[in-house]
Amino acid sequence: DIQMTQSPSSLSASVGDRVTISCRASQRISIYLNWYQQKPGKAPKVLLYGASNLQRGVPSRFSGSGSETDFTLTITSLQPEDFATYYCQQSFSSPWTFGQGTRVEI
Amino acid sequence: QLRLQESGPGLVKPSETLSLTCAVSGGSITNSHYYWGWIRQPPGKGLEYIGSIFYDGGTFYNPSLKTRVTLSVDTSKNQFSLRLTSVTAADTAVYYCASDYNSVNYYYDYWGQGTLVTVSS
Repeated sequence: DIQMTQSPSSLSASVGDRVTISCRASQRISIYLNWYQQKPGKAPKVLLYGASNLQRGVPSRFSGSGSETDFTLTITSLQPEDFATYYCQQSFSSPWTFGQGTRVEI
Repeated sequence: QLRLQESGPGLVKPSETLSLTCAVSGGSITNSHYYWGWIRQPPGKGLEYIGSIFYDGGTFYNPSLKTRVTLSVDTSKNQFSLRLTSVTAADTAVYYCASDYNSVNYYYDYWGQGTLVTVSS
């Protein structure tokens, strides 16, 4: 299985901050990397697919970059509704695997 | 816009079989752009892929669960199902069904609300 490692596991930030979350794959996965946001008690919601493609309806303050083994999710100007847990997920080879999550707190 | 809805017992006894169904509305389960997946999340923990099924019955399973998991699809009812045998307390989790869309790559674009399944006697 491909292992996905996110860093940091949690972070504290303020409204308006720029936030960066990293995701590293244990082997090369091209751009087959997705990012999800999950709020307490809710299902995850896709933010970006194919490493950098913004899902319809997702605000442009979210962006993604990277390829092969190193990926980044960036949130420019953090908003109150962005406080949540973020997961990366690879869909390069089965079984799909998720990172352990990054909790973004106030 | 797809809607997915999980259904099934919320409480299962140890060693018994967990069975869940995901009803799909707003689109056809025979859409060739989609696999249909199950993901679970133990309380307070991260997301774990269980498996995926195509409308023709083709499946992928997580090797860690493969000996206990069976996915099936019913195109006449536009739904797909999960069976997990010989459950233990470690299988207690919120179970999500999701649509796995093939674009640049596969990603879960729609999710059910999730259903908590507790394994306890």
